[in-house]
Amino acid sequence: GQQVMQIPQYQHVQEGEDFTTYCNSSTTLSNIQWYKQRPGGHPVFLIQLVKSGEVKKQKRLTFQFGEAKKNSSLHITATQTTDVGTYFCAGNSGGYQKVTFGTGTKLQVIP
Amino acid sequence: EPEVTQTPSHQVTQMGQEVILRCVPISNHLYFYWYRQILGQKVEFLVSFYNNEISEKSEIFDDQFSVERPDGSNFTLKIRSTKLEDSAMYFCASSPRGLIVNTDTQYFGPGTRLTVL
Repeated sequence: GQQVMQIPQYQHVQEGEDFTTYCNSSTTLSNIQWYKQRPGGHPVFLIQLVKSGEVKKQKRLTFQFGEAKKNSSLHITATQTTDVGTYFCAGNSGGYQKVTFGTGTKLQVIP
Repeated sequence: EPEVTQTPSHQVTQMGQEVILRCVPISNHLYFYWYRQILGQKVEFLVSFYNNEISEKSEIFDDQFSVERPDGSNFTLKIRSTKLEDSAMYFCASSPRGLIVNTDTQYFGPGTRLTVL
């Protein structure tokens, strides 16, 4: 079945440093979403990308969908303590409704 | 802002018992979902629901699981005979158009923590 891996699994950064998490799918994706989950919380939808090579920005967050639609990345510029949490990518392959979540990257920001 | 609600927040049950987890999706959304997350692990898709029927389900969603929309607002997940390995956080989610259009979204509820003893 489809597998979606993320690296790194954990990342500790000093506040103000940049952070990037990478997402790789074993199959071509129809679209990809990114979610943030705070400790003890639920996943919060951040964005969806659908086009090959698409790049979207939300303030300090930059999301990219690979040309082959098998990988994606999330880059945070100048991290803040409020960025702490686990970031998951999630994609659909073929059927739109069966979303496969990535393994997640847990971000810790040291003040 | 509208939100997905779930009850109860925590359910403790004995192995072999039936449980029903309840969700109220956002009112004008058409697609509903159940996911589970075992502690410390990734979120796993269970089932999607549209137009009063299951649209897709995962391998996890076997005959022990069922979903229902008993009225215009509630969406339930039933586990007929719980096992120890069913212990997890169960999230309900809803989406306006099922993530089909690039501007679509998916909103998660706060979850129900199920503990099977």
